[in-house]
Amino acid sequence: YELTQTLSVSVALGQTARITCGANNIVHKNVHWYQQRPGQAPVLVIYRDTNRPSGIPERFSASNSGNTATLTISGALAGDEADYYCQVWDSSTVIFGGGTKLTVL
Amino acid sequence: QVQLQESGPGRVKPSQTLSLICTVSGDSISGSSYYWSWIRQPAGKGLEWIGHVYTSGLTNSNPSLKSRVTISVDTSRNQFSLSLISVTAADTAVYYCARGGQSSWPLDYWGQGTLVTVSS
Repeated sequence: YELTQTLSVSVALGQTARITCGANNIVHKNVHWYQQRPGQAPVLVIYRDTNRPSGIPERFSASNSGNTATLTISGALAGDEADYYCQVWDSSTVIFGGGTKLTVL
Repeated sequence: QVQLQESGPGRVKPSQTLSLICTVSGDSISGSSYYWSWIRQPAGKGLEWIGHVYTSGLTNSNPSLKSRVTISVDTSRNQFSLSLISVTAADTAVYYCARGGQSSWPLDYWGQGTLVTVSS
């Protein structure tokens, strides 16, 4: 099972960024999203498709439909510049997408 | 607050065994319903799940690494460990431990990561 992410996404400061994660019938999976700033460990920002952990701003939201899961960052800030990874569980294995580098212009 | 801390040698020689320990605080491995995972990340590349262990000692590993990986748990010390045999330069990476990573459970807490370089 393979998760496909766009290598890079750019967004203007204050605008909305959308990062996608594509896979066959991903709607039937629980999708988690992680943010990884340079030199830091990943941080969970969305779990089970749409849920935000405590401490994650409401600017982060997500959806999962058909063959695409989407992470949306509203009102992007400079501090949102990072790599973002989607993740699912399949065939008793944790699978990560290849990651998307978000650049805030 | 759950915290995880990786420890172990920063350099391993080719063909030898990489061994790391993850010490958990703020949660009890023995009393927890979570799995405990190892993940690695080569420089400039993405995340790769290595495997996980449950408090009972039940383990599962990435098929691509299964033949070389052993993950175990020491509930008395609230630690779990990773052993990777026959390492090569391709095993050079930052190694993370994390809580979770099974079925619908996310990896919700991560260690800071430790760089392991395979070099003679």
